Amino acid sequence: AQKVTQAQTEISVVEKEDVTLDCVYETRDTTYYLFWYKQPPSGELVFLIRRNSFDEQNEISGRYSWNFQKSTSSFNFTITASQVVDSAVYFCALEGRVSITGGTSYGKLTFGQGTILTVHP
Amino acid sequence: KAGVTQTPRYLIKTRGQQVTLSCSPISGHRSVSWYQQTPGQGLQFLFEYFSETQRNKGNFPGRFSGRQFSNSRSEMNVSTLELGDSALYLCASSSGTGNTEAFFGQGTRLTVV
Repeated sequence: AQKVTQAQTEISVVEKEDVTLDCVYETRDTTYYLFWYKQPPSGELVFLIRRNSFDEQNEISGRYSWNFQKSTSSFNFTITASQVVDSAVYFCALEGRVSITGGTSYGKLTFGQGTILTVHP
Repeated sequence: KAGVTQTPRYLIKTRGQQVTLSCSPISGHRSVSWYQQTPGQGLQFLFEYFSETQRNKGNFPGRFSGRQFSNSRSEMNVSTLELGDSALYLCASSSGTGNTEAFFGQGTRLTVV
C-alpha cells in the first residue's frame, strides 16, 4: 500500500518569509514518481514538479525548491520569499507502477491530505 | 495546446438520481484518471482509463463507473446518488506510459440535495 503524509495541515506566514512544506511517503515500489501540485481557490490542480525515484538531485525553479531524500522517504518543498499569490492548498503525491495483466499501469496518484498555505501581506 | 476540459463545472442533483460527468484530455494523451475530492477524505482515486480500457480502480462502490471513447474523452457516471457523493470531481490527463506528469482539469462540483 502507498501512503503520503503531509505533516502540516495549515501554515500561515507573512510575505517575504521562507516556508517549507513537508512530505513523507511510503511505498514498496522501487520505481515511483513524486509530485507537488498547487490548488488555488478555482479548484484546478496545478502541476509544480515531478521527480523520478532514481533522481535524488534537488531542484530549484525560481522561488521554488525541492529536497528529495530517499533515505528518509521525504520530498519537501520550500518557497523562498513567499508572496500573497502563493496562498493555496499544496498537495504532495506519489505515483507507483501497478502490475496488471499485459503490462504496467500508471495513472494512480496517492495524495497527501494537503497543506493550506496562507501568505499575509 | 488546449488543457483538460471538464463539463459541466457545476451540478446540483437530487438523491437517487444519476449523473454523468465528462472529461476531454489533452490532445495526444491516452490516459484519463478520475479523482474525488471531499473535505473529509481528501483526494481519492476513482479509476483510470487507457485506450478505452479501465486499467486501475480505486475503492469505490459499483455506483461509480466510467468509460473512455476512441478519441480518449472519458465519462464518469454515478448512479443512485447519495448525499455523500457531493464533491469536487477532478479528471487528470497523461500519456499513460509513465513518462509524463498528469494534468488536471478544473473539476466538476457536484452537489447532491
